[in-house]
Amino acid sequence: GESVGLHLPTLSVQEGDNSIINCAYSNSASDYFIWYKQESGKGPQFIIDIRSNMDKRQGQRVTVLLNKTVKHLSLQIAATQPGDSAVYFCADSDPYGGATNKLIFGTGTLLAVQP
Amino acid sequence: DVKVTQSSRYLVKRTGEKVFLECVQDMDHENMFWYRQDPGLGLRLIYFSYDVKMKEKGDIPEGYSVSREKKERFSLILESASTNQTSMYLCASSSPGRAEAFFGQGTRLTVV
Repeated sequence: GESVGLHLPTLSVQEGDNSIINCAYSNSASDYFIWYKQESGKGPQFIIDIRSNMDKRQGQRVTVLLNKTVKHLSLQIAATQPGDSAVYFCADSDPYGGATNKLIFGTGTLLAVQP
Repeated sequence: DVKVTQSSRYLVKRTGEKVFLECVQDMDHENMFWYRQDPGLGLRLIYFSYDVKMKEKGDIPEGYSVSREKKERFSLILESASTNQTSMYLCASSSPGRAEAFFGQGTRLTVV
């Protein structure tokens, strides 16, 4: 079956630096990708999404890049802050009958921001 | 503010017990999901439902069942709890045609 995976399980960065979290996917038919942030003791929260017809999308301090040629996407966080410390998941939308859009999640990357 | 509420944050149950995990959403979403989260394995889909009384198996349905009698409520049932079902359980909901799912805070279940 399809899989969505991450290159690094843990990423440690200095406060103020930029962070890059990577994700690989295997399903060429995937048409939608989402990044979630999960803080300790909480459920995942939506950060940003991107459709397969786009290469880049920017939000507030975050940018997602999609490279369909190598089936890779990344999440860039500018000026990383202590509040960014969390586990980050990429998720791939598997269209089920065009209605349900169930998500397939990667294993997650722990981002640790050092003061 | 959108809300997905799971009935318990922490549960401890004995092996062999029948366990009910409840989830309620207030966004009138058609789609609801149950995931379990384990270290190093990420989130794995157990069951999902795209309408009242409709259910579909996810990737790891064995040992679980679900119930969706009302649109806002989706229950996960462990027919006979086992220690390998100790995990964090996450409920989510979404609208048709939109992949973005909203999650509850999770229920940490320990089976002893």
